[in-house]
Amino acid sequence: DQQVKQNSPSLSVQEGRISILNCDYTNSMFDYFLWYKKYPAEGPTFLISISSIKDKNEDGRFTVFLNKSAKHLSLHIVPSQPGDSAVYFCAASVSNTGNQFYFGTGTSLTVIP
Amino acid sequence: DGGITQSPKYLFRKEGQNVTLSCEQNLNHDAMYWYRQDPGQGLRLIYYSQIVNDFQKGDIAEGYSVSREKKESFPLTVTSAQKNPTAFYLCASSTGIAGESYEQYFGPGTRLTVT
Repeated sequence: DQQVKQNSPSLSVQEGRISILNCDYTNSMFDYFLWYKKYPAEGPTFLISISSIKDKNEDGRFTVFLNKSAKHLSLHIVPSQPGDSAVYFCAASVSNTGNQFYFGTGTSLTVIP
Repeated sequence: DGGITQSPKYLFRKEGQNVTLSCEQNLNHDAMYWYRQDPGQGLRLIYYSQIVNDFQKGDIAEGYSVSREKKESFPLTVTSAQKNPTAFYLCASSTGIAGESYEQYFGPGTRLTVT
């Protein structure tokens, strides 16, 4: 059963606008969340993370928001750039369970110049 | 230059043959992981190891085996018992220490095709 879901397989955004990628989870024990970016035929690269004690974390153009009551997190990219075009995965874990992460199915972002 | 290496990038095997995928890291990380990715699916955990000479099954361990004889190395063997071995395989590592920022660092992946 998929514990982390990304319901939008793809997203297209104009360059300079905001990209919003969404992720939902079902396990209320998850307390650490990450976003990864992946290009074809390469390994994912870490983007940004958030602990459940926070509801927002910002790093440059990337901001992750966490809504624990809704079991929902989102990644905002502002402004979007063509180089942001990639597949984005969210992942979640429970801190005391050996770093086992559960990944969503990914959202393919295309930023149109 | 620290990182994770996986070799080879592309691997072809005949059905019924075992094949071993290499994963090496020089990040001094305690924990290492193997995932597989199939089209339209997220990363699914095959095996993970938090320390040398110890490893645990992930969600889809059937048909796979691993060893962790050295901290730097975590090879994955895809056995003939794995029913659908063709996939993109990713190795990752992390500090493995709970309470710290422990994002996983991924290698470039190996695409295995079994015919």
